[in-house]
Formats: sequence, C-alpha cells, structure tokens
Amino acid sequence: QKEVEQDPGPLSVPEGAIVSLNCTYSNSAFQYFMWYRQYSRKGPELLMYTYSSGNKEDGRFTAQVDKSSKYISLFIRDSQPSDSATYLCAAGGTSYGKLTFGQGTILTVHP
Amino acid sequence: EPEVTQTPSHQVTQMGQEVILRCVPISNHLYFYWYRQILGQKVEFLVSFYNNEISEKSEIFDDQFSVERPDGSNFTLKIRSTKLEDSAMYFCASSEGADLYEQYFGPGTRLTVT
Repeated sequence: QKEVEQDPGPLSVPEGAIVSLNCTYSNSAFQYFMWYRQYSRKGPELLMYTYSSGNKEDGRFTAQVDKSSKYISLFIRDSQPSDSATYLCAAGGTSYGKLTFGQGTILTVHP
Repeated sequence: EPEVTQTPSHQVTQMGQEVILRCVPISNHLYFYWYRQILGQKVEFLVSFYNNEISEKSEIFDDQFSVERPDGSNFTLKIRSTKLEDSAMYFCASSEGADLYEQYFGPGTRLTVT
C-alpha cells in the first residue's frame, strides 16, 4: 500500500471556483502534513504546514487534517489562473526529516 | 526573502561519470535534505543531513551517492558513477532546527545521463 496517495487529476475549474484537493495516507505515525505547489519544472513551494489534526487557514488557502480517517485536504477559495500548478501533499514524522509525497494533482484554473 | 539556491540548473553527463550537484541552503537553517523526482513520478526522499552527519537515508541512497557540507554555506550531492536511471530533477531543501518538516525547496537541478 502506498504511504501517501493523491488523485493525479487533472482537475480543471473556472476562475473563482472553490477547489478541493485531497490525499489519504496509511501510516498512523505521520504527524506533520504539508501542501506544496509546484509549477512546471520548478521546485516545490511550501504553501501550508500543519501538525496533527485540525484546520489551518492562510489567505485563500485552508488545510485540513483528519487523522481519524487519515485524510488531508487543501481548499482554495476564489481560485485564480495563477493557481494553475501541480499540488503536492506530503507527510512526515516517522524518521529524521523524511517527507513522503503524494503523486501530485494537476490543477488548471481557466479564465 | 531568503531562498534555497541550486547550481547548475541543468547538468548533462555521460554514463559512468561523476557529478556534483550544489546547493546553498537558507542561511540560518541547520537541517539539509536531498530529494529527487524522476519525470512524471513522485518526489522521493534521498537523505537528510545535520551537524555534518547523515541523519537518515533512503534505499535509493546507495554507495554511489554521498553528501558533504564543504564550507559554511554549500551542501553538495555527489553521484560517483552515474547511471541512465539517475536522470531526474534533484531538489535540495533545508529547515530550521525547530521544525524539521517545514522544509523549503530549491529550484532543482535537472540531471540528464546519456
């Protein structure tokens, strides 16, 4: 079983839509959960960082972690064409700094 | 805003050759990492490094790989004898001491082995 699973999409939405991106994970030892944004042929850019369960909000972005169901979500409100990218979820906590990534979801926001 | 930098942006090498990929982590960060991403695949952890020692390494990080912090600012990944399957994007990342997992990534080096 893959440790972090993410639907690769692609996901296409109109500008202004609310976007929901999701991941599941299998390892109960994961305590730290991240969302990264990656533009084509660029490095991952850290968007959201959460510890354990709960919600975290930053501007148009909200990250949710439900440890009971091993489910991670990222919501993007009022999506913009500049949000078009690949969104990677990642989890850590089982070893010394190792992040385990999902496959990434390709998002396109069209005007 | 401080950022992780990597050089070169693209490296082409022949199979069997040695390559060194270079990174300058964020200046006050203490923990350093290398990840790789084969085209179309997941980002994969290679190694973590702290206090001039490897803290953790993956199965991918075999004897042909090594890391070094040769001075106070650079962090390098050496691949001794490159193989075709080493072709990938290599990302350096760094984090402060307080939160190991809050990692900031560089732009990557695209390694092409021919």
